[in-house]
Amino acid sequence: GAGVSQSPSNKVTEKGKDVELRCDPISGHTALYWYRQSLGQGLEFLIYFQGNSAPDKSGLPSDRFSAERTGGSVSTLTIQRTQQEDSAVYLCASSPPGLQGRQYFGPGTRLTVL
Amino acid sequence: KQEVTQIPAALSVPEGENLVLNCSFTDSAIYNLQWFRQDPGKGLTSLLLIQSSQREQTSGRLNASLDKSSGRSTLYIAASQPGDSATYLCAVRLSNAGGTSYGKLTFGQGTILTVHP
Repeated sequence: GAGVSQSPSNKVTEKGKDVELRCDPISGHTALYWYRQSLGQGLEFLIYFQGNSAPDKSGLPSDRFSAERTGGSVSTLTIQRTQQEDSAVYLCASSPPGLQGRQYFGPGTRLTVL
Repeated sequence: KQEVTQIPAALSVPEGENLVLNCSFTDSAIYNLQWFRQDPGKGLTSLLLIQSSQREQTSGRLNASLDKSSGRSTLYIAASQPGDSATYLCAVRLSNAGGTSYGKLTFGQGTILTVHP
């Protein structure tokens, strides 16, 4: 079946602009996660959704970052007033119902802030 | 705060060798541990998942072990092949109070594996 998809695959933006990154999880997966992978920091957790609610937002680095999930499916990560340090690969993962589900990752969105 | 360390950072071996990748974590209250592989420019592929109650998992030429008390996991790759060349990441999922888990993963920095013919 179809895996986790993310769009766009690449995004180049100018400093100060807002960007939206999209994640389509695997159908039926109730949990959705956003991570960020950058050269200096490795892979870091950003936010976790269970259904449409986000019980863990502890990884969002600043109030410029926000995310929402609608219909228990698609999620959008929004970065306002982008900065050069936001440049990274943003990865989305989903997992099926049940606490033991492994996480399935999408291919990521590479964000470059000029 | 959970910290995950992977050793070595990079490894280069000839084809056919058996090899071991190491992962250590500081907080033993884990829910499970996953090993992933990442190919250049690609997302992560889950290789093995070990629940906290388990000692090891096997899939084909891969075997992962878990020792919670010492905070260590190893990934053993038998008879390595050039197609095994990738970055291998270890990730830990912590337990919350009461034994549940939110699912957030804490990753190590990875081991870059090169298998040459």
